[in-house]
Amino acid sequence: EVQLVESGGGLVQPGRSLKLSCAASGFTFSNYYMAWVRQAPKKGLEWVATISTSGSRTYYPDSVKGRFTISRDNAKSSLYLQMNSLKSEDTATYYCARGLPGYRAPFDYWGQGVMVTVSS
Amino acid sequence: DILINQSPASLTVSAGEKVTMSCKSSQSLLYSENNQDYLAWYQQKPGQFPKLLIYGASNRHTGVPDRFTGSGSGTDFTLTISSVQAEDLADYYCEQTYSYPYTFGAGTKLELK
Repeated sequence: EVQLVESGGGLVQPGRSLKLSCAASGFTFSNYYMAWVRQAPKKGLEWVATISTSGSRTYYPDSVKGRFTISRDNAKSSLYLQMNSLKSEDTATYYCARGLPGYRAPFDYWGQGVMVTVSS
Repeated sequence: DILINQSPASLTVSAGEKVTMSCKSSQSLLYSENNQDYLAWYQQKPGQFPKLLIYGASNRHTGVPDRFTGSGSGTDFTLTISSVQAEDLADYYCEQTYSYPYTFGAGTKLELK
């Protein structure tokens, strides 16, 4: 059974940093693109970052580019999101998600999500 | 960036009714080299994570009931629920994966009478 379990969320002050983790199990992690998607309270979904199978390619929207870094450790079947210079608008539930096999693929499995609150 | 316009924002229907919701993109999501549309639909029930319903505009994901049907191509797409069940109460989102940055529609909230 595919499982994605996020951790590392919490309350953080504006301008500070936080690192999220996602532990994957039930599939060969190294074979899949992985991503982070977030959802602000009572709002819609926003794609945050994607990483290739090897980790050599990463993609971000302008809203987080230069502040967030996605990475992975295939030996540990783990995905990470380093978030720096956090802003109040980064407050959201962050989901770890697996890409369907293939190019330009949507996300077929999601974690339960972890809440990040940016506030002084 | 590709903009996604999803409508209506909300729908109120009775169990057993047929439902359609729309997703329009600001540019074509059809990749000519493989004739594939890069449009997906997700269902998010209250308090839960999103679940993939449809990918490639019309392909049902594993385990999705056949009352859910995706259609359309290019810039105009539709999600149809042939006979709504109480368990279908949820928010529905479309997403384009044609190009980065991936973008989502604002969602359609399905409510039952």
